Amino acid sequence: QVQLQQWGAGLLKPSETLSLTCAVYGGSFSGYYWSWIRQPPGKGLEWVGETYHSGSTKYNPSLKSRVTISGDTSKNQFSLQLSSVTAADTAVYYCARGGVPGAFDIWGQGTMVTVSS
Amino acid sequence: QSALTQPPSASGSLGQSVTISCTGTSSDVGAYNYVSWYQQHPGKAPKLMIYEVSKRPSGVPDRFSGSKSGNTASLTVSGLQAEDEADYYCSSYAGSNNYVFGSGTKVTVL
Repeated sequence: QVQLQQWGAGLLKPSETLSLTCAVYGGSFSGYYWSWIRQPPGKGLEWVGETYHSGSTKYNPSLKSRVTISGDTSKNQFSLQLSSVTAADTAVYYCARGGVPGAFDIWGQGTMVTVSS
Repeated sequence: QSALTQPPSASGSLGQSVTISCTGTSSDVGAYNYVSWYQQHPGKAPKLMIYEVSKRPSGVPDRFSGSKSGNTASLTVSGLQAEDEADYYCSSYAGSNNYVFGSGTKVTVL
C-alpha cells in the first residue's frame, strides 16, 4: 500500500523560502506525476504544481515565479520550494500522487506552514 | 484561474440523497472530462471519491456517483450515512498545465 510521508519547517518569516519534502513508501516513484496542493486555514484547495519522474515540471501560473518542485528517484522523494513567502502563503501543504487521469489518488498527511514575523 | 463554484452547504437525512453541484467554465469543467471529487473530514487529508467525472476508485462505495453536463459537474451521495458528513471539493483540469478546485461544500447528515 502506497503511503506518502511529508516533512519540513512549519514556521517561517516573511521573505524566507518554504521547503518541504515528501517520501513515497510502498510503491514506485517512476511512472507517476507528483503534486503539491495547499489549503489556507478555513479555505479551499489550491494546486501548486507537479513533477514527473522524468524531471519535467508544471506549475500553477499564479505561483510559477516563486515555485520549484524537484524529484529524487534514488530516494523516492520529491520536494517543494516556495521563495519570498508572505502571510498569504500560510496554509496546510499536502503532497499527492497523480495516480489516475486528472486526479490525485494518494495524499500525504499535510504540513501546516505559518508565515509570521 | 478562478475557483470552481460550489454551494457552501448541503444536507440530507440519513438514508436519503444529496447532490452537490460544481460550476466552472468552458475552459475547465466544460472542456475536459477530468473532473474529480474529494471528501475531507476535519483535520484530515482529502480522499479521492470520483475521477474522470464518474469513475470510482477501488474501495469507494457505489453510493457515490458523479456526472457532468456542460460546464457543471455534480456529485450525488445516495443512502446517506453519518460518516458521509464532511467537506467535499470538486476539481477540474483547466488546460495550460493547471488544475482548479472548487470552493468546497459542507455536507450535513440530519
